[in-house]
Amino acid sequence: QVQLVQSGTEVRKPGSSVKVSCKASGGTFSSNAVTWVRQAPGQGLEWMGRIIPILDMIHYAQKLQGRVTLTADKSTSTAYMELSSLRSDDTAIYYCARGIYGFQSLGYHYYYMDVWGKGTTVIVSS
Amino acid sequence: QMTQSPSSLSASVGDRVTITCQASHDIGDCLNWYQQKEGTAPKLLIYDASNLKPGVPSRFSGSGSGTDFTFTISSLQPEDIATYYCQQYDNLPPEISFGPGTKVSLK
Repeated sequence: QVQLVQSGTEVRKPGSSVKVSCKASGGTFSSNAVTWVRQAPGQGLEWMGRIIPILDMIHYAQKLQGRVTLTADKSTSTAYMELSSLRSDDTAIYYCARGIYGFQSLGYHYYYMDVWGKGTTVIVSS
Repeated sequence: QMTQSPSSLSASVGDRVTITCQASHDIGDCLNWYQQKEGTAPKLLIYDASNLKPGVPSRFSGSGSGTDFTFTISSLQPEDIATYYCQQYDNLPPEISFGPGTKVSLK
């Protein structure tokens, strides 16, 4: 059973960058996607982007385009999320999750996240 | 954008709980439901509108298609206290959207 192990808490100053890792333990990414979702304190879930390592395919949420970079090292089954030009409202818990995707015979595309990491807390403060 | 209602509810142990979610356009049955307990990561409960993830108790169920979906807990248990989110996927361009969440508490 694959588990996703994330790196530890990070504290950064405004304007700096942070890089969070997510390692697949007990398996590999296979043909699945790695999705990044964040949650600000007391708020809901916000999708940041996804990477499909086997296809080298990456998509970003429009809101974060230009500030977020997703990468993956297939040899170690580790995915990374780097967020730059940090602001105080980037303070959040950052989750990685395995994305299962495909399309149905009627043409609808499905995508759900069945395995989640425990989350990485990122605090942006001067 | 997805709408989800109610934003919160209070119910007693054993009550039937229903949450609704409306997608922004026809998504077939490609709607998923997650449970998030305080201080923990979200967990997938139901995928593709009505499929229970293996290991999830059968008191949880989902239904719907097109734009209107329903999530039900047939008999609320104390361990079900959590926030529940619906989630849809758009392919052009690829984008994932979550509903705003429904916080379920005990009366």
